[in-house]
Amino acid sequence: AQTVTQSQPEMSVQEAETVTLSCTYDTSESNYYLFWYKQPPSRQMILVIRQEAYKQQNATENRFSVNFQKAAKSFSLKISDSQLGDTAMYFCAFTNSNSGYALNFGKGTSLLVTP
Amino acid sequence: KAGVTQTPRYLIKTRGQQVTLSCSPISGHRSVSWYQQTPGQGLQFLFEYFSETQRNKGNFPGRFSGRQFSNSRSEMNVSTLELGDSALYLCASSFQGQGGEKLFFGSGTQLSVL
Repeated sequence: AQTVTQSQPEMSVQEAETVTLSCTYDTSESNYYLFWYKQPPSRQMILVIRQEAYKQQNATENRFSVNFQKAAKSFSLKISDSQLGDTAMYFCAFTNSNSGYALNFGKGTSLLVTP
Repeated sequence: KAGVTQTPRYLIKTRGQQVTLSCSPISGHRSVSWYQQTPGQGLQFLFEYFSETQRNKGNFPGRFSGRQFSNSRSEMNVSTLELGDSALYLCASSFQGQGGEKLFFGSGTQLSVL
C-alpha cells in the first residue's frame, strides 16, 4: 500500500514570508498523481495544486509551487508571500489506478500565518 | 455553479442507532466519493460511486454502505453506530473520478455518537 508522510505536524510563518511544507510518499508505481489540499476552519477541502508524476516540470499556481523529486519520492509545497488566509491544515495526497484513484492522504500539517 | 452540498452539517446519535448522510454533487459530476476524517486515523477513503454503481471501496466494515441515485446524488448509511464512528464525513464529486481528476469537496457532516 502506498503511504504518504508529512513530518511537520505544525508550522508557523509570518505574513509575507515564504514557507515550505514537506511530504514524502512510498510507491513502486511509475504513474501516479500528487496533490496538496487545504482545509480551513470551514472544513471544506480545497485543491491547492496537482502534479502528474510523468511531468518533470514542477506545478505552479500563483503563490503556490511544488518541488517534485520523483527519485526521492518527495513532494514539498512552497507558499510565497504568505497571507493570513493561508492559515489552515494542509494535506498531501497520492492516487493512482491501483487504488481506483481513491486519495491516500498524509496526516496533515497545521499552518499558522501570523501578522 | 453550486458546489457540493452535504446535509446535515451536524448530527448527534447514540450507540446502536443508524444514520443516513446526504451528498449532492456539482451539476454534471457523475462520480461521488466519501471520506471519513478523525483526529486519530486522519482521512480515510470509504467508497466511490459512478453512475449508480459502487466502483471502489475502502477498508471499512459492512455497517458502512452507500448508494447513488440517477441524478448522481449520493447517500451514505452507517448502521449500529459505535462510538468510534464519530467523525467528519466528507463527500467529493468529479466528472469521471479517474486519472487523477480534481475532486471538489463539500463542507462535511460532523457526526457525534454518544
